[in-house]
Amino acid sequence: QKEVEQNSGPLSVPEGAIASLNCTYSDRGSQSFFWYRQYSGKSPELIMSIYSNGDKEDGRFTAQLNKASQYVSLLIRDSQPSDSATYLCAVRNFNKFYFGSGTKLNVKP
Amino acid sequence: ETGVTQTPRHLVMGMTNKKSLKCEQHLGHNAMYWYKQSAKKPLELMFVYSLEERVENNSVPSRFSPECPNSSHLFLHLHTLQPEDSALYLCASSQDLSSPGNTIYFGEGSWLTVV
Repeated sequence: QKEVEQNSGPLSVPEGAIASLNCTYSDRGSQSFFWYRQYSGKSPELIMSIYSNGDKEDGRFTAQLNKASQYVSLLIRDSQPSDSATYLCAVRNFNKFYFGSGTKLNVKP
Repeated sequence: ETGVTQTPRHLVMGMTNKKSLKCEQHLGHNAMYWYKQSAKKPLELMFVYSLEERVENNSVPSRFSPECPNSSHLFLHLHTLQPEDSALYLCASSQDLSSPGNTIYFGEGSWLTVV
């Protein structure tokens, strides 16, 4: 079983729509959860972090965490073509930091 | 200037060559990491250093040899690599290892091609 599971996609949404990206993890001791965006040929950049159950909003991005279900999600409102990238879910338990394979998002103009 | 700088950005080497990847972080962090990213695979953690001491070695072949001379610099020495080692090698840093809220920041990566 992989530590972090993501649907590889691609997930295609029209411009202006809400994109919903999902992630599940196996380590119940995980403490911190992150979403990174990676453009083709570039390194991952941090979008959001979340540490407690519930929602956390930052601009057009909302991260959702449900530790009981071991589930993390990222919502992108008013999706833009510039949001087209691969989104990596990452989970941390002290010095163990696991990444999912990423979900490729295509936002169509 | 980015917080984590990697050189070279691109490297082509033969299987008998010896080369090194260099990473420098300007964030005042105490932990540094090497990750490998191959096509359609998750990021693979290779090595973790905390205050220049190696704390994690994820069953990485000995042809990869890390070196951390101080908390700002990290090297990955490469020797007799195989074509399947061709990948993007990412250096990263974080404040430390113990705080749950620590975030990893990545460098721009070094694209390695082994021929």
